[in-house]
Amino acid sequence: QSVLTQPPSVSGAPGQRVTISCTGSNSNIGAGYDVHWYQQLPGTAPKLLMYGNNNRPSGVPDRFSGSKSGTSASLAITGLHAEDEADYYCQSYDSSLSGSVFGGGTKLTVL
Amino acid sequence: QVQLQESGPGLVKPSETLSLTCTVSGGSISSNYWSWIRQPPGKGLEWIGYIYYSGSTHYNPSLKSRVTISVDTSKTQFSLKLTSVTAADTAVYYCATGPKRSCSGDRCYKNLFDPWGQGTLVTVSS
Repeated sequence: QSVLTQPPSVSGAPGQRVTISCTGSNSNIGAGYDVHWYQQLPGTAPKLLMYGNNNRPSGVPDRFSGSKSGTSASLAITGLHAEDEADYYCQSYDSSLSGSVFGGGTKLTVL
Repeated sequence: QVQLQESGPGLVKPSETLSLTCTVSGGSISSNYWSWIRQPPGKGLEWIGYIYYSGSTHYNPSLKSRVTISVDTSKTQFSLKLTSVTAADTAVYYCATGPKRSCSGDRCYKNLFDPWGQGTLVTVSS
């Protein structure tokens, strides 16, 4: 059971928009700690996709965007591409655990 | 560009100690925190703990009694030891830079991990 809750799967057709939610609590996202997102392509290590709620590292296309409100955050992907098919993880800091916590991951399928 | 590479045995017997090393290249080990993160097959990510180059550590409370992370700055390496392993410890183990902060404009954001090593699968089995 992950501290941050994500839907197990989402799907969309090429060109469509999908969103992935990440729900936490008042000891992590709701406490104001930053939310970061990672993309894990099949058979590879996770890679930083979004940091500080809505900031993209160099090389990440602007089709990816993030937001945060209250105890939740979300990742949006517009204009889906086949190569976006991957697992996506949210991550934050939890004051109760005094450490980093991850969501359970969401598998994105591009139909 | 910092790169990380995990190394160590891929098979460990139950009740024994899992030992892994992460080699850092392309940057200084003396300027960041360094973490271990694991992923059981088909499951999500779990942060194990971190070490600062000075040797200070912080561990996930759920693993704290069994984990030791150490650093060797002369070899630009940091290591993980996990004692009394069971099948539940079977996972891909990643080393990563962080928790760290990154800045955009005049704001900085904390507690992220970047980059990661490629990961190494450790199976616990007799």
